[in-house]
Amino acid sequence: NAGVTQTPKFRVLKTGQSMTLLCAQDMNHEYMYWYRQDPGMGLRLIHYSVGEGTTAKGEVPDGYNVSRLKKQNFLLGLESAAPSQTSVYFCASSYDLSTGNHQQPQHFGDGTRLSIL
Amino acid sequence: EDQVTQSPEALRLQEGESSSLNCSYTVSGLRGLFWYRQDPGKGPEFLFTLYSAGEEKEKERLKATLTKKESFLHITAPKPEDSATYLCAVANTGGFKTIFGAGTRLFVKA
Repeated sequence: NAGVTQTPKFRVLKTGQSMTLLCAQDMNHEYMYWYRQDPGMGLRLIHYSVGEGTTAKGEVPDGYNVSRLKKQNFLLGLESAAPSQTSVYFCASSYDLSTGNHQQPQHFGDGTRLSIL
Repeated sequence: EDQVTQSPEALRLQEGESSSLNCSYTVSGLRGLFWYRQDPGKGPEFLFTLYSAGEEKEKERLKATLTKKESFLHITAPKPEDSATYLCAVANTGGFKTIFGAGTRLFVKA
């Protein structure tokens, strides 16, 4: 059981380049999330999705776009990378409909370490 | 505004030296409080969920407790393998988001 898988694990970009981070989950979860983690600041929510075809803004959405065309996948895009977007990006998922329990914890991938020069 | 503050930022213990980590929170309506463990280079790993004041959960050397304003993660007789960053998070009743604290980095020396 893979859980939440993020690709790539590492990436170096130049300012202005674009890229897409991929997140895949195999737990049939309804909710998916993208966070960034910076030293001393904890996890900050970028965008999230409560179901296939839906997305919503989190705490720090500027400079990022997302799509959830399939239930199991959640993509995070950087259209024009900036040095301020250097960070570790985590994807998470939660909420199996069959349990009916909204208070389920989030399951995380192991992150994508992104450096923008 | 919902907020989570963890203290201390870092904690250094000798093996066997018990201690507690604090998580203070303000939230409009608590849906759940979560504790996670994060190892270097890895994503957070779920430990506990607490739903209401007075609730306690235990797992090996860890015990989490909850009051109306804070949660504690008690570590009894820690071992070097307990060294990690411990994250606290709260989910409110108003939506789908979870607010994370900055974490406490725990170092346990043999």
